[in-house]
Amino acid sequence: KAGVTQTPRYLIKTRGQQVTLSCSPISGHRSVSWYQQTPGQGLQFLFEYFSETQRNKGNFPGRFSGRQFSNSRSEMNVSTLELGDSALYLCASSWGGVSYNEQFFGPGTRLTVL
Amino acid sequence: AQSVTQLDSQVPVFEEAPVELRCNYSSSVSVYLFWYVQYPNQGLQLLLKYLSGSTLVESINGFEAEFNKSQTSFHLRKPSVHISDTAEYFCAVSDRTGSRLTFGEGTQLTVNP
Repeated sequence: KAGVTQTPRYLIKTRGQQVTLSCSPISGHRSVSWYQQTPGQGLQFLFEYFSETQRNKGNFPGRFSGRQFSNSRSEMNVSTLELGDSALYLCASSWGGVSYNEQFFGPGTRLTVL
Repeated sequence: AQSVTQLDSQVPVFEEAPVELRCNYSSSVSVYLFWYVQYPNQGLQLLLKYLSGSTLVESINGFEAEFNKSQTSFHLRKPSVHISDTAEYFCAVSDRTGSRLTFGEGTQLTVNP
């Protein structure tokens, strides 16, 4: 069974640009969560999508957005990039039921903003 | 609101020595507790979890953690570490769905020969 895949693995952008990251969950998983990992702030929850709807949201500005498609693949978008957006962006997928479901993480996309 | 504090940012040990990585949490509701491991340039892997039942949980590679409700702690221990255990370890809590994890700052475990 294939794991969670994220594309691209590395990305370099300049301030002011926008970026789209993609996450393909494990087959059958309907929930996708996104996290930002930086040396200063650590791992922080961005948002979760379940069945194409945002189910949970962290404390990030509106420049960070996401969506989920009918095949459960998810994208996150960051507009008007800032230097501080440089980070490893991790996505995790799970079955998404109301009780506990283990999250499986992808390898991440490393975004560098110059 | 939930929060997690990992009391040591770096823990250097020698191979075959015991190790303890400390984690305290704060929450107004019942939580699930986790330890994740991250190797360089990789994502997070679940090491072990506490959902309910026995307060001592074990992983397949020799790590164990004990849930202590009165001290709100979930410390990770291994009686004898290997070079291959060198990685960053994250303690995390979640609500009952497990879909929103709150992580600690991480502890870099370095095992030296």
